[in-house]
Amino acid sequence: GAVVSQHPSWVICKSGTSVKIECRSLDFQATTMFWYRQFPKQSLMLMATSNEGSKATYEQGVEKDKFLINHASLTLSTLTVTSAHPEDSSFYICSARPSGGLRTDTQYFGPGTRLTVL
Amino acid sequence: KQEVTQIPAALSVPEGENLVLNCSFTDSAIYNLQWFRQDPGKGLTSLLLIQSSQREQTSGRLNASLDKSSGRSTLYIAASQPGDSATYLCAVGPNQAGTALIFGKGTTLSVSS
Repeated sequence: GAVVSQHPSWVICKSGTSVKIECRSLDFQATTMFWYRQFPKQSLMLMATSNEGSKATYEQGVEKDKFLINHASLTLSTLTVTSAHPEDSSFYICSARPSGGLRTDTQYFGPGTRLTVL
Repeated sequence: KQEVTQIPAALSVPEGENLVLNCSFTDSAIYNLQWFRQDPGKGLTSLLLIQSSQREQTSGRLNASLDKSSGRSTLYIAASQPGDSATYLCAVGPNQAGTALIFGKGTTLSVSS
């Protein structure tokens, strides 16, 4: 149990295009999902907290108009990188905190999405 | 602001050695601490989760300790194997509400056969 999937696992796009990344909790419901970003040799840094049915909360320095987050259901959150540029190339990882049934004070991580912007 | 530091950044050992990875955090008011493994280009695998009230957790050849008052945790790996080669991340859970984890930069371990 407690499986989180991400799609796609990797994506290459041209500069200026938009890319959507999906994060799904497969066997549990998650009111809250988190989006992290990891640059090479760096730590995971929180980008935003996504709450089902409400607006996401973005960390300081993360542009909400560039990184659009939609958490339309208890099992799906999406991150859309709009007008992507090479500096957005990174490893994006989501995590999901169970609403109940499982431990609600922990979170389960997806396998990550490697984004490369040419 | 909570900061998590991991030392060393990289470590190379021969197979069979016992080793210790270190993690320190600046704010001792944590809810839990978690150790993860990350293989190159992959996601995270949770290894051990220690609640703030606990001193240590063990799983197989892994043992993690927590000294909350001093802001330190160690991950002990016994009888290291080449398959243990990966990056090990330490992450602090700041509160019971399950808010986002705060990660260190990791220790990259290489175990040679």
